[in-house]
Amino acid sequence: GEDVEQSLFLSVREGDSSVINCTYTDSSSTYLYWYKQEPGAGLQLLTYIFSNMDMKQDQRLTVLLNKKDKHLSLRIADTQTGDSAIYFCADLPPNTGNQFYFGTGTSLTVIP
Amino acid sequence: KAGVTQTPRYLIKTRGQQVTLSCSPISGHRSVSWYQQTPGQGLQFLFEYFSETQRNKGNFPGRFSGRQFSNSRSEMNVSTLELGDSALYLCASSFTGYAEEQFFGPGTRLTVL
Repeated sequence: GEDVEQSLFLSVREGDSSVINCTYTDSSSTYLYWYKQEPGAGLQLLTYIFSNMDMKQDQRLTVLLNKKDKHLSLRIADTQTGDSAIYFCADLPPNTGNQFYFGTGTSLTVIP
Repeated sequence: KAGVTQTPRYLIKTRGQQVTLSCSPISGHRSVSWYQQTPGQGLQFLFEYFSETQRNKGNFPGRFSGRQFSNSRSEMNVSTLELGDSALYLCASSFTGYAEEQFFGPGTRLTVL
């Protein structure tokens, strides 16, 4: 099945940019997503990108997709302490119904 | 618009018991998916229901089952609980369930003693 991988931890200073990386294995994936999970909460959809796009920007969030390398990244500009959370990338391969494959999650810590 | 709700939020059971978790999707959403989240295995897909039919199933034993009602509310049941079933169980809803945004509930934290 599909394999989605992320680095486990990232620590940045408040005001800096954060970049969270993700790799996936299914080259036919059509949609890739970023979710945020705060302690004790469910998953909050941040943004998603279609596979025919290279980049998507949404306020402080920028998603970059390199299909050739099967690499996805999420950049958070001007990172704030409220951005501290676990970030999951998720892949939706075709012909799997609505079965999302999630990465292991990256725990982002923002240092004041 | 109300979000996805899950009840109960916390549950403590003992090995061998069974448990039923409930999920109410966003109004108008007909697809409900269930995921298990554990520190060791991460987020794993359990199953998806659409219009009262199980449309997709993950790699879990038959002790895990679910159903969906005509109002799109869904329940999942775990029989003969094992210690390893301790997890956060998340449900997600979407309109049709195909290549769409999924909206997640807050989860039910199940602890098996």
